[in-house]
Amino acid sequence: EVQLVQSGAEVKKPGESLKISCKGSGYSFSNYWIAWVRQMPGKGLEWMGIIYPGDSDTRYSPSFQGQVTISADKSISTAYLQWSSLKASDTAMYYCARHPRSYYDSTGYYVDYWGQGTLVTVSS
Amino acid sequence: SSELTQDPAVSVALGQTVRITCQGDSLRSYYASWYQQKPGQAPVLVIYDENTRPSGIPDRFSGSSSGNIASLTITGAQAEDEADYYCNSRDTSGNLVIFGGGTQLSVL
Repeated sequence: EVQLVQSGAEVKKPGESLKISCKGSGYSFSNYWIAWVRQMPGKGLEWMGIIYPGDSDTRYSPSFQGQVTISADKSISTAYLQWSSLKASDTAMYYCARHPRSYYDSTGYYVDYWGQGTLVTVSS
Repeated sequence: SSELTQDPAVSVALGQTVRITCQGDSLRSYYASWYQQKPGQAPVLVIYDENTRPSGIPDRFSGSSSGNIASLTITGAQAEDEADYYCNSRDTSGNLVIFGGGTQLSVL
């Protein structure tokens, strides 16, 4: 059974750093792209970026480029999303999700499995 | 264009058919996918590649596309279908992934 299990909720202060995780199981983690999606309170889904754990090829949405870092450690089947200096506006639910094709496939895009989400709260 | 536009809210009577639409120039070139999200839960894929249902998704869910509009149709809506629905695809350049703003479906 494919599963993506994310790390637990975090409460941080502005300016602090944070790294959240997404551990895959039930499939060959190295061979599937993992995307990160933000959902701010009461708002819609926003695509942040994607990584291929096999070679760490990473793409970012321009809205998030330079604001976060996406990484992965294929040896432990885990992807990460990190911030060096959090802002109150980073308060949101963050989801990881598996993309079952090459990101460079030109037909379309979808994700087939989602993590349960990690709630990040940034408040002074 | 980097936008997919959805109606914010739609309602349907129990057992009736409802169509949720997603409009964007990129849909002329790229397939849409659709996700259902219930309160406090992660999204669930219900349609991909425009009209393909993942295993486990009821066949009352179907997808279609015409021009720059993709549609998700629920034939015989059930109370448990009340949720937010998001469309998803690439932008016109193909380099970015974008979501529609979401449609809140009420089943009356």
